[in-house]
Amino acid sequence: ILNVEQSPQSLHVQEGDSTNFTCSFPSSNFYALHWYRWETAKSPEALFVMTLNGDEKKKGRISATLNTKEGYSYLYIKGSQPEDSATYLCAFIAAAGTASKLTFGTGTRLQVTL
Amino acid sequence: ETGVTQTPRHLVMGMTNKKSLKCEQHLGHNAMYWYKQSAKKPLELMFVYNFKEQTENNSVPSRFSPECPNSSHLFLHLHTLQPEDSALYLCASSQASTAGRYEQYFGPGTRLTVT
Repeated sequence: ILNVEQSPQSLHVQEGDSTNFTCSFPSSNFYALHWYRWETAKSPEALFVMTLNGDEKKKGRISATLNTKEGYSYLYIKGSQPEDSATYLCAFIAAAGTASKLTFGTGTRLQVTL
Repeated sequence: ETGVTQTPRHLVMGMTNKKSLKCEQHLGHNAMYWYKQSAKKPLELMFVYNFKEQTENNSVPSRFSPECPNSSHLFLHLHTLQPEDSALYLCASSQASTAGRYEQYFGPGTRLTVT
């Protein structure tokens, strides 16, 4: 059983604050890591697919880093806005077996207030 | 219509009923997925289809029966479900499943309640 953990479970910040969350996954047998944003009453939306150790990806104010050797990824949000309020999910794919099985963490729920 | 659509959005069924969930993707993708989201649990993969062939069955009970007639449509047939099967069922698609390096596009989900 693969263990993908995200912390914190929830986070409440004010508009303009920068914040970050962690996704921990098995450090062996890494294939890929996905990040998704899931707003209430909407569909999960892909943010990043990360495959290489040391990868850094950026989309607007959101960026992510990847450390496959120690088994973690960080998601950063710079200057949080109310529209960033959502649950952020990471999903790990192991190299063994079919490379299509995403194992999701329970997510970090972010709330940004004015 | 664009993206990934799912019908119905809400479904209430008794334990002896038979119903089907439908998913359609308009993105030209070759892989489609069923996920289950139960309360306070991670999103859980159920099935994967790649070019209409099932490539993953994540130990799902036989009361859930998937069907993929073509790369654009995916069904989940439900029969003799249990109350603990009540959950949000999400469909997703991607360019291909074998690489695992393609982002997945999700539908809005079907909220299922089994009474």
